[in-house]
Amino acid sequence: QVRLVESGGGVVQPGRSLTLSCVASGFSFDFYGMHWVRQAPGRGLQWVAGIWYDGSVTQYADSVKGRLTISRDTAKNTVYLQMTNVRGEDTAVYYCARDKSTTTSGFDYWGQGTPVTVSS
Amino acid sequence: DIQMTQSPSSLSASVGDRVTITCQASQDIHNFLNWYQQKPGKAPNLLIYDVSNLESGVPLRFSGRGHGTHFTLTISSLQPEDVATYYCQQYPDLPLSFGAGTRVEIK
Repeated sequence: QVRLVESGGGVVQPGRSLTLSCVASGFSFDFYGMHWVRQAPGRGLQWVAGIWYDGSVTQYADSVKGRLTISRDTAKNTVYLQMTNVRGEDTAVYYCARDKSTTTSGFDYWGQGTPVTVSS
Repeated sequence: DIQMTQSPSSLSASVGDRVTITCQASQDIHNFLNWYQQKPGKAPNLLIYDVSNLESGVPLRFSGRGHGTHFTLTISSLQPEDVATYYCQQYPDLPLSFGAGTRVEIK
């Protein structure tokens, strides 16, 4: 069955960097777009970044553009989120999600989430 | 950016009640609208895609309607396992955006 497993979260100081990973299994990874969606404590869902099935297009929320980078490695069935110059407002649970399509539509499978806390 | 406005923000209803949640888009999104259910402490789960298509395994008591800027999610007979927060989401306009959520509780 489809499985998405995130890792890499933790406590990080403001201004530092962190890389999240999401290992996918149970489906043909290179046929689907992938995304990162985050949820701050007690808040709603916020889309952060997406990448097309072939990695040719990456898309970002304005609040993270230039600081967060999404990428994918087909050989490892893994999608990454590199976080640089982190801020307090980046504190959230980060979910990896599969797109229903090759590009950008809805999120039909989600991982369990990995928490990121930005604190000095 | 497209703003998604959900109402109500929370509701309390009895088991067996019909429950309707509304989602309004700030501009025409045609039929590019999805609904998610998030139970406490869990990841979200896709319920309905493209306004009215039930995701596999979703109970038939869930249904979606609408077009353009006004959309609804209806639970025809509320069950205890439906206690959750429900979110609408538009695509493909960037940034992809969610409504603020509607918390559904049992009275």
